Amino acid sequence: GENVEQHPSTLSVQEGDSAVIKCTYSDSASNYFPWYKQELGKGPQLIIDIRSNVGEKKDQRIAVTLNKTAKHFSLHITETQPEDSAVYFCAARRNTGTASKLTFGTGTRLQVTL
Amino acid sequence: SQTIHQWPATLVQPVGSPLSLECTVEGTSNPNLYWYRQAAGRGLQLLFYSVGIGQISSEVPQNLSASRPQDRQFILSSKKLLLSDSGFYLCAWSPMGTGGREQFFGPGTRLTVL
Repeated sequence: GENVEQHPSTLSVQEGDSAVIKCTYSDSASNYFPWYKQELGKGPQLIIDIRSNVGEKKDQRIAVTLNKTAKHFSLHITETQPEDSAVYFCAARRNTGTASKLTFGTGTRLQVTL
Repeated sequence: SQTIHQWPATLVQPVGSPLSLECTVEGTSNPNLYWYRQAAGRGLQLLFYSVGIGQISSEVPQNLSASRPQDRQFILSSKKLLLSDSGFYLCAWSPMGTGGREQFFGPGTRLTVL
């Protein structure tokens, strides 16, 4: 089955700096890679996603890049703000027909300090 | 707009007691539904998914079961809880007709088994 590894497990940056979180996946057939942000005590919220036919996608301060050959993808947050502090999860989707079965990384706890 | 509800929000149960967690989705029809468990400081593990009423697929062998009695209702159950069942349980849905890629999570239920 699919295996997703995520690094680092914790990341501390100063407000205004950039943050980068990296993930690798094992199943070359995976074709969809979402990123979720989870605040304390809440369910994860989808913040950005990328499909395998795209190399990069950007939404304001957030961008995701995908390298299919190397089977890795990354989340980039620029001009970080205190409200960006949360746990971030990457995931990869295995194509199983009608159901979207996501395999998640183990998460990165991002702390943005003043 | 679509919303997803889970209850209860928190639950403390003794070992050996039964469990019933409920998830409902509003504003959509024929969603794919998912149950995940998140152990403390860990990623999300897919437990069950359903593509229709009465259709349940199990991802990992365990002490839990799932049922889908109605189109937008998903229930997670156990006859006898174990200490290892403690965790944060998340329900999610994905729309039909899009390959089910995007998953949207509920607020979660924190279960503590003592």
